[in-house]
Amino acid sequence: RKEVEQDPGPFNVPEGATVAFNCTYSNSASQSFFWYRQDCRKEPKLLMSVYSSGNEDGRFTAQLNRASQYISLLIRDSKLSDSATYLCVVNIESNTGKLIFGQGTTLQVKP
Amino acid sequence: DGGITQSPKYLFRKEGQNVTLSCEQNLNHDAMYWYRQDPGQGLRLIYYSQIVNDFQKGDIAEGYSVSREKKESFPLTVTSAQKNPTAFYLCASSIDRGGRSPLHFGNGTRLTVT
Repeated sequence: RKEVEQDPGPFNVPEGATVAFNCTYSNSASQSFFWYRQDCRKEPKLLMSVYSSGNEDGRFTAQLNRASQYISLLIRDSKLSDSATYLCVVNIESNTGKLIFGQGTTLQVKP
Repeated sequence: DGGITQSPKYLFRKEGQNVTLSCEQNLNHDAMYWYRQDPGQGLRLIYYSQIVNDFQKGDIAEGYSVSREKKESFPLTVTSAQKNPTAFYLCASSIDRGGRSPLHFGNGTRLTVT
């Protein structure tokens, strides 16, 4: 089993749709989680950290499910500009600094 | 402006040659990382360093070497032992040594080996 797994997609959705991505992780002791956005041939940029109680930033909501060992990212009212690859990052060995990426989920928002 | 500088942006080498990728940060971050990305793939961890003069292997360290002699610098050498060195290489740093804070990335170096 991979340490961090994502469904690569692509997810093709119309503008205005709500879409959700999941990211599963193998180590139940993992403590820190992040979502990044990556545009084609660019470096990843931080979208949001994921907190235990869940957190929201505008149209984006991140949640953590420790029992099932996954994090999720929900995007509401999708815009064309949301088209990108979304990468989850997990501190797979708590407090060691070892940060592992999922392979990414590609989102295409269509007019 | 604070940030991470990777150079060069594009690098071309002949097979069998070692090549060193530069990564410098002026964010005063303790931790630094090297990742590799192949087309259509996520980022894979090569090496990371939580503190000066110390570093750990990531998941794909074979064929690579690093040094961390200064807090702001974490160069990566791609040796001739690396079987498929052509890739997009990303350097990152984090203020926290324990992986509790987000990563900040440089713009990356695209290495092509022929």
